Amino acid sequence: LAKTTQPISMDSYEGQEVNITCSHNNIATNDYITWYQQFPSQGPRFIIQGYKTKVTNEVASLFIPADRKSSTLSLPRVSLSDTAVYYCLVGEARDMRFGAGTRLTVKP
Amino acid sequence: SAVISQKPSRDICQRGTSLTIQCQVDSQVTMMFWYRQQPGQSLTLIATANQGSEATYESGFVIDKFPISRPNLTFSTLTVSNMSPEDSSIYLCSVGTPGEGNIQYFGAGTRLSVL
Repeated sequence: LAKTTQPISMDSYEGQEVNITCSHNNIATNDYITWYQQFPSQGPRFIIQGYKTKVTNEVASLFIPADRKSSTLSLPRVSLSDTAVYYCLVGEARDMRFGAGTRLTVKP
Repeated sequence: SAVISQKPSRDICQRGTSLTIQCQVDSQVTMMFWYRQQPGQSLTLIATANQGSEATYESGFVIDKFPISRPNLTFSTLTVSNMSPEDSSIYLCSVGTPGEGNIQYFGAGTRLSVL
């Protein structure tokens, strides 16, 4: 099982771009990288998934370097409502284990 | 994607009793997962429930304490047995959907308080 390492917490201000990096040094060849967002009193919500290079959707972008040993979730122009915990997971669904996540606080 | 309904959303229970949590999915799914999340903490996987086979429990979780049923491809239950205050937590179910094998979709969770 690939272990992931993320910063425990980050602070930002409204309108800024936020980049959260996740390290996964022992990622396997077939592993995908998946990010989730969790608000208080809710279950985690899928944000984005990628395998290599760059993936973008309406919510975020995911940058994955060629060696795939890390990934960066980019949230453009954050708002107060983006305050949440963000989790990076690696592997297939049955093998994924949640780490501590990154608690993002967006300030006005 | 999948829509997951979890019941009850919250409950307050007495020590020594049991609570059964239900998880209903709006489509047929192979993999269902049960997690526990204590306040301010990350999610801990309790077990994986696949239809037609016994649930697979993670280290530290046993079937006698957390029996799981998976009668069909859209439904599962988790029972928290002989509860103690240490079982106070949020319990979440999730599903892995066919064709999206690496993505899990979560219910809103059941907030359990044991007195």
